[in-house]
Amino acid sequence: QVQLQESGPGLVKPSQTLSLTCTVSGDSINSPDYFWSWIRQSPGKGLEWIGYIYYSGTTYYNPSLRSLFAISLDMSKNQFYLKLTSVTAADTAVYYCAREVPSATFDYWGQGTLVTVSS
Amino acid sequence: QSALTQPPSASGSLGQSVTISCTGTSSDIGAYNYVSWYQQHPGKAPKLLIYEVNKRPSGVPARFSGSKSGNTASLTVSGLQAEDEADYYCNSYTGDNRLFGGGTKLTVL
Repeated sequence: QVQLQESGPGLVKPSQTLSLTCTVSGDSINSPDYFWSWIRQSPGKGLEWIGYIYYSGTTYYNPSLRSLFAISLDMSKNQFYLKLTSVTAADTAVYYCAREVPSATFDYWGQGTLVTVSS
Repeated sequence: QSALTQPPSASGSLGQSVTISCTGTSSDIGAYNYVSWYQQHPGKAPKLLIYEVNKRPSGVPARFSGSKSGNTASLTVSGLQAEDEADYYCNSYTGDNRLFGGGTKLTVL
């Protein structure tokens, strides 16, 4: 059973850096079969894909978003990470990590973690 | 790139069928057979219902079906049950992005 679990601070001050961790169990992020994605959902709004990382370390980001996101991974911990610098109130959202298959399908999701940007 | 267009709400009575549309462009839905649908209950993570337009993952009831015509994809829920009341989101590959729809709140009457 594949499981993903997000973790990180629930509150971040404006202009600071947001750092989130996704811990994967039941699968290895070292697999060439999948991509590992981050998706966010602003309060009362829809879903927005942020980007993914591949086991090789290759990353790809939503071209419509500010280029302040960075995704990385640690195979020894079976974890991948999201970093967003210079956060604003508009970055307040529930952040999900998800496994993505090659057909751009997100088949397993974490439970999500709410991040609030406020002073 | 704009989000895919979904009706904000839909409704149907127990046992009836309801169809939710998802309209994109010739650069996303119209270009690729990589459309997926997700169900989200309040406070929960989205759950995959349909992938590659009309394929169901194991464990998803056959009551859920997907289709596509031109730039519009559709999700049909047959034999509505009370637990189908949720938000539904479509998603399409665009070549350099993955676009979601704005979501449709399905009410079971």
